[in-house]
Amino acid sequence: SQQGEEDPQALSIQEGENATMNCSYKTSINNLQWYRQNSGRGLVHLILIRSNEREKHSGRLRVTLDTSKKSSSLLITASRAADTASYFCATVNTGGFKTIFGAGTRLFVKA
Amino acid sequence: EPEVTQTPSHQVTQMGQEVILRCVPISNHLYFYWYRQILGQKVEFLVSFYNNEISEKSEIFDDQFSVERPDGSNFTLKIRSTKLEDSAMYFCASSEGGVWTDTQYFGPGTRLTVL
Repeated sequence: SQQGEEDPQALSIQEGENATMNCSYKTSINNLQWYRQNSGRGLVHLILIRSNEREKHSGRLRVTLDTSKKSSSLLITASRAADTASYFCATVNTGGFKTIFGAGTRLFVKA
Repeated sequence: EPEVTQTPSHQVTQMGQEVILRCVPISNHLYFYWYRQILGQKVEFLVSFYNNEISEKSEIFDDQFSVERPDGSNFTLKIRSTKLEDSAMYFCASSEGGVWTDTQYFGPGTRLTVL
């Protein structure tokens, strides 16, 4: 698989539930980022976590990073219908200028 | 809050024509990027630009593509002779520092349709 692969590919939950998305990558990274994209729109940056960090919070978002397993997770707590979007992880390789995106998880939150 | 802007929002062109996609990065940012997203697929890195030169490019960014910062505010992507497979959303992004340390901010995108 390619750098920055998310799973699941699609996730459907009820409003108020938590949503967890996972991302795996292959090479050594400098940082990992999570983005949200509403259908056909631009990318909104959510969180950047550096390779020496293990966990980061921002509002209802919690991101973890396990560099030994080359994986990250994004948890959205108490989801809302407005959280419906695609979520992408993206990695920046050590020493690189390039950001590599995964294929994304499509989250659907039912009201 | 400052934001990255892109024009046009939608560009329709005939195969073989040249197109120029325009971006205005956030004013104090020094690093600039272009990405593309073919419908239903992942976002793909095209090129990064710093200090008036390309710092990294992908295999997609062949001789048909070029980037320029013609003045202090604009950052452009030119496709010399468009192909059908160039149809995609093109996103510009900018960051204050390099992506290994700083957040990059994306514009709303230009939808390019090649007929």
